[in-house]
Amino acid sequence: GQQVMQIPQYQHVQEGEDFTTYCNSSTTLSNIQWYKQRPGGHPVFLIQLVKSGEVKKQKRLTFQFGEAKKNSSLHITATQTTDVGTYFCAGGSLGGNKLVFGAGTILRVKS
Amino acid sequence: KAGVTQTPRYLIKTRGQQVTLSCSPISGHRSVSWYQQTPGQGLQFLFEYFSETQRNKGNFPGRFSGRQFSNSRSEMNVSTLELGDSALYLCASSDRATRRDEQFFGPGTRLTVL
Repeated sequence: GQQVMQIPQYQHVQEGEDFTTYCNSSTTLSNIQWYKQRPGGHPVFLIQLVKSGEVKKQKRLTFQFGEAKKNSSLHITATQTTDVGTYFCAGGSLGGNKLVFGAGTILRVKS
Repeated sequence: KAGVTQTPRYLIKTRGQQVTLSCSPISGHRSVSWYQQTPGQGLQFLFEYFSETQRNKGNFPGRFSGRQFSNSRSEMNVSTLELGDSALYLCASSDRATRRDEQFFGPGTRLTVL
């Protein structure tokens, strides 16, 4: 079945450094979603990408969807302590009604 | 709009017992999905209900079951609990039939099996 791999599993950065997490699917996706889960909280939707090669920005966050629609990345510029949490990608199947989550990347920021 | 609510928030059970968790989606949302979250395992998909019908199912044993009512509220049941069932159980609702829309997660039910 469809699998979504996410790396790295864990990253610890100094405040002000950049951070990137990558997501790879075993199959072509219809869309990719990104979520953030703060420690002790629940996942909160960040963004959805649908088009091949799509790039979207939210302030210091840049999201990309690969040309083949099988991979995606989330890049955070100049991390802040408020960026701490686990970032999940979730790939939508081409059938349109299945969403598979990656294992998440835990981000810790040292101030 | 009120968010997704889940009850109870915390639960302690012993092995062999059964448990029922409840989820009330955002008003107007007809799709409810359930996930199991354990440290290091990410979000494991259990099942999804849409308009009272199970539309998708993950790779969990038959001890895990669910249902959805006409008001879109959903329940999840786990029978014959095992220690490995200890986890945070999250439900998420979404707006449209294609599931392309964002998932709104509830705060979760923390289940501990002793």
